[in-house]
Amino acid sequence: DGGITQSPKYLFRKEGQNVTLSCEQNLNHDAMYWYRQDPGQGLRLIYYSQIVNDFQKGDIAEGYSVSREKKESFPLTVTSAQKNPTAFYLCASSFGQGQRRSPLHFGNGTRLTVT
Amino acid sequence: EDKVVQSPLSLVVHEGDTVTLNCSYEVTNFRSLLWYKQEKKAPTFLFMLTSSGIEKKSGRLSSILDKKELFSILNITATQTGDSAVYLCAVGTYIQGAQKLVFGQGTRLTINP
Repeated sequence: DGGITQSPKYLFRKEGQNVTLSCEQNLNHDAMYWYRQDPGQGLRLIYYSQIVNDFQKGDIAEGYSVSREKKESFPLTVTSAQKNPTAFYLCASSFGQGQRRSPLHFGNGTRLTVT
Repeated sequence: EDKVVQSPLSLVVHEGDTVTLNCSYEVTNFRSLLWYKQEKKAPTFLFMLTSSGIEKKSGRLSSILDKKELFSILNITATQTGDSAVYLCAVGTYIQGAQKLVFGQGTRLTINP
């Protein structure tokens, strides 16, 4: 079955440590996205990537970094510079070009808790 | 700044009732409006609307967009307990060929038996 796999589901870290969240898709989608979800604030875009080896900052990129070395993979690193890292992180992907781009397809998310 | 506002933020009704969820937006470069249902983890896609006044239906769910007044509604008739979820509205814009979605806060819908 095609889909997006995020791992781990739950992640606990001490303050000051970097942590990397995994996102893998086998849908052959070209674009991938990372969103953060906090209670009462909806989803906010962290980074997105349209093609391999290229990515752009979203609305809240500070304290995060990404890479896109393979089409299938778009890992997100939460660095110690991120002031409020505890949140639910969602990875998504889509295909198509311009107006014909498909709706986003989401993974099941990673819940990160930093203490 | 692009903004999407959903109302109400929370709604509790009895099974069988009809509900209307609202979404208003202010964005530059509007391309589409999408509705998602989020139960526990991944939001699942419901509707994508691009044209004003054309209702989209899927079973008991329907949605319509008004691009002049900048809002959309999601209707659910004959609600069931399985409709309990957070409903997310998102407006799609395009930046350098990539789709960017701006999300509202979500409406938490609870259906009591």
